[in-house]
Amino acid sequence: QITLKESGPTLVNPTQTPALTCTFSGFSLSTPNMGVAWIRQPPGKALEWLATIFWDGDRRYNPSLRRRLAITEDSSRDQVTLTLIDVNPLDTATYYCVHTPYSGYDVHFDAWGPGILVTVSS
Amino acid sequence: QSALTQPRSVSGSPGQSVTISCTGTSRDVGGYNYVSWYQQHPGKAPKLIILDVSKRPSGVPDRFSGSKSGNTASLIISGLQAEDEADYYCFSYEFGYNLMFGGGTKVTVL
Repeated sequence: QITLKESGPTLVNPTQTPALTCTFSGFSLSTPNMGVAWIRQPPGKALEWLATIFWDGDRRYNPSLRRRLAITEDSSRDQVTLTLIDVNPLDTATYYCVHTPYSGYDVHFDAWGPGILVTVSS
Repeated sequence: QSALTQPRSVSGSPGQSVTISCTGTSRDVGGYNYVSWYQQHPGKAPKLIILDVSKRPSGVPDRFSGSKSGNTASLIISGLQAEDEADYYCFSYEFGYNLMFGGGTKVTVL
């Protein structure tokens, strides 16, 4: 059974660079065709894909946020970290860590963490 | 504004069927048979209910089904039940590796 859980700061000042960590179990990011993605949802709004990292180190980013995101992995600890650069109040959202099996264009998200609400405010 | 267009809300009585549309372009929905759908209850994380246009993951009731015609995908909920009241999001791959969700549809069971 795959489980994921997000952790990190829940209140962040504007212009800071918070890091969110996803700790997962039930799979290894060293195994072929495994991937971990981050998806966010502002309060009352739709889901937005942010970034994905794959078992082979390949990284993919939302083109509109590419310059403000960094996704890294620590396979020895079964963790993936998303760093948001220079945050502003529009980055206030629930951030989800998600398992995504790799299969070319067949992208889907089959296991989700509970999410962490990150509020950007001074 | 989401690149995939969904109706803001749909409603139906218990036992009825409702259909949620998801309209994109030939670069996303129309170009690939990889549309997925997610159900989200208030305060909860989304859950995958349809992948690859029409496949159901294990454990998802067969009253949920999916289809696609041209640039529009559809989620059909047959035999609507009270627990189906939730938000539903479609999702698609777009050419060039951009991943997009629809704006979401609120399903109300009358």
